[in-house]
Amino acid sequence: DVKVTQSSRYLVKRTGEKVFLECVQDMDHENMFWYRQDPGLGLRLIYFSYDVKMKEKGDIPEGYSVSREKKERFSLILESASTNQTSMYLCASSLYRAPRDGYTFGSGTRLTVV
Amino acid sequence: EDQVTQSPEALRLQEGESSSLNCSYTVSGLRGLFWYRQDPGKGPEFLFTLYSAGEEKEKERLKATLTKKESFLHITAPKPEDSATYLCAVRYGQNFVFGPGTRLSVLP
Repeated sequence: DVKVTQSSRYLVKRTGEKVFLECVQDMDHENMFWYRQDPGLGLRLIYFSYDVKMKEKGDIPEGYSVSREKKERFSLILESASTNQTSMYLCASSLYRAPRDGYTFGSGTRLTVV
Repeated sequence: EDQVTQSPEALRLQEGESSSLNCSYTVSGLRGLFWYRQDPGKGPEFLFTLYSAGEEKEKERLKATLTKKESFLHITAPKPEDSATYLCAVRYGQNFVFGPGTRLSVLP
């Protein structure tokens, strides 16, 4: 089975801290994505990457950046955490850009910024 | 604006009580409608993809159907283990728009 692993299930950070969320996939997928999930809003795309060292802004990139130095690893960075970034963060990957069976998601990181 | 809505927001069923969840979309140029299941504390897990009006897919007690403006996820004789949040997502081009989900609880 394809696995997408997010390094932390729960994180609590202080306002203004720099926060790193890590995601690793083990199936040689080209494409990786970061979403945030908030009640009533669905999943919203923050950033995505179709290749190593490549990144593209999604729908809500403000306050975030990403890094993809290796194919299997895609990191989400909160440059200066704020309380409105408290959310569930989901990483996903896929072999194709338009996969017929959707994305494979990680279990999520629930981030609380206090 | 491209939009995906789901109804109801939450649904409580007794075990064995069949029902349907709705996903409505206003995306033009649909390239696929996806259903996912999400258990508490976990990421979404893929269930079905539908591509054209009239298409149906089935898996155990779940059946997904698609029209030009909406999709239904029919749950027949549900069991408590079917309790989860069900998400739909619409693809247009290479982008996805996710709905907010329906939280289903099946009581024994």
